[in-house]
Amino acid sequence: ILNVEQSPQSLHVQEGDSTNFTCSFPSSNFYALHWYRWETAKSPEALFVMTLNGDEKKKGRISATLNTKEGYSYLYIKGSQPEDSATYLCAFHFGNEKLTFGTGTRLTIIP
Amino acid sequence: EAQVTQNPRYLITVTGKKLTVTCSQNMNHEYMSWYRQDPGLGLRQIYYSMNVEVTDKGDVPEGYKVSRKEKRNFPLILESPSPNQTSLYFCASREAGGAYEQYFGPGTRLTVT
Repeated sequence: ILNVEQSPQSLHVQEGDSTNFTCSFPSSNFYALHWYRWETAKSPEALFVMTLNGDEKKKGRISATLNTKEGYSYLYIKGSQPEDSATYLCAFHFGNEKLTFGTGTRLTIIP
Repeated sequence: EAQVTQNPRYLITVTGKKLTVTCSQNMNHEYMSWYRQDPGLGLRQIYYSMNVEVTDKGDVPEGYKVSRKEKRNFPLILESPSPNQTSLYFCASREAGGAYEQYFGPGTRLTVT
């Protein structure tokens, strides 16, 4: 079983501040890296799918970068809002059809 | 509306009583998957299917069965449920290949007493 590690496990951020967190994954046999946003009592929703080293994707105030050679991805949230409170999951796809998920970073925005 | 549906959403059952959780998607996706989510362990894959009649074990397949007779449906079967299968279950689908986002169903909360 491959290890996908996310840090920190949880994070409290003041509204308006920016924040970021990390996903680490095995650098060999890389195929794709997924980010999902998971709100309480809902199901995970896709944010980004990244495939190329150096890739950078953006959706509104949320962006992500990818370094496949060293095996990490960062998710950034600029100007946090209360609606950003959720668990953020990354998932590693390493060449077959399986996605291996990390345990997530639980983000709480303090008004 | 593109969606993945699961039924039932909530189920309380007793040890040993066979049950099936249905999953259906309307996006013509080749790939479907079942996950369970337990506190502190994240989403763990139970089984996946790359197309009709093609299924394979994920990381935690023990105690589960699946079938893929039609492209849109991927039921999860617990032949003899046990309390350690109490969990939150998600079905998901996507197009084949890793560069496509995965769509999740609403989840099924299962309690086995």
